[in-house]
Amino acid sequence: EAGVTQSPTHLIKTRGQQATLRCSPISGHTSVYWYQQALGLGLQFLLWYDEGEERNRGNFPPRFSGRQFPNYSSELNVNALELEDSALYLCASSPQGQSKETQYFGPGTRLLVL
Amino acid sequence: GDSVTQMEGPVTLSEEAFLTINCTYTATGYPSLFWYVQYPGEGLQLLLKATKADDKGSNKGFEATYRKETTSFHLEKGSVQVSDSAVYFCALNGGATNKLIFGTGTLLAVQP
Repeated sequence: EAGVTQSPTHLIKTRGQQATLRCSPISGHTSVYWYQQALGLGLQFLLWYDEGEERNRGNFPPRFSGRQFPNYSSELNVNALELEDSALYLCASSPQGQSKETQYFGPGTRLLVL
Repeated sequence: GDSVTQMEGPVTLSEEAFLTINCTYTATGYPSLFWYVQYPGEGLQLLLKATKADDKGSNKGFEATYRKETTSFHLEKGSVQVSDSAVYFCALNGGATNKLIFGTGTLLAVQP
């Protein structure tokens, strides 16, 4: 069974640009989550999408946004990039029902903002 | 709010040594508890989980028991290998928000 996939693996942008990160969940999973792993800040929850709707949002500014498509894949968009947005962005997915709490992670997209 | 505290690293052990990484949590409800492992340059892999008090999660020789009375979920392995070298994260999911709250991670280095 294929795991969570993310693209691109690496992304280099300059300050002020926009970045788009993509995620495909495990087949059959309907929820997608985004986390940021920045140096010195640990793993921080960004967003949760389920059945195409945003269900929960972490303490991040509005320039962090995303969406979930009908096939349950997801995009994370970061507008007006700042240097401190440089981080590993991890996507996770989970199934429906009682097992929703268990999240399975992809390999991440490493974003570098210059 | 909910939080996770895990022991600071790095933890350096010789091969075949016994491993304990301490993890305690604070939560208002009855969270599910997880250990994830991150190998260099990779994402997180689910190592084991426990969803209620006294449950024991186990995988690949690693074990952790959900202790409600001490709010702990310590990770143990009887005999570590060089290939176990990685960063280990303890996490909880409180349920209502369905987000994982992570500890700061513990770097384990196993020497041959």
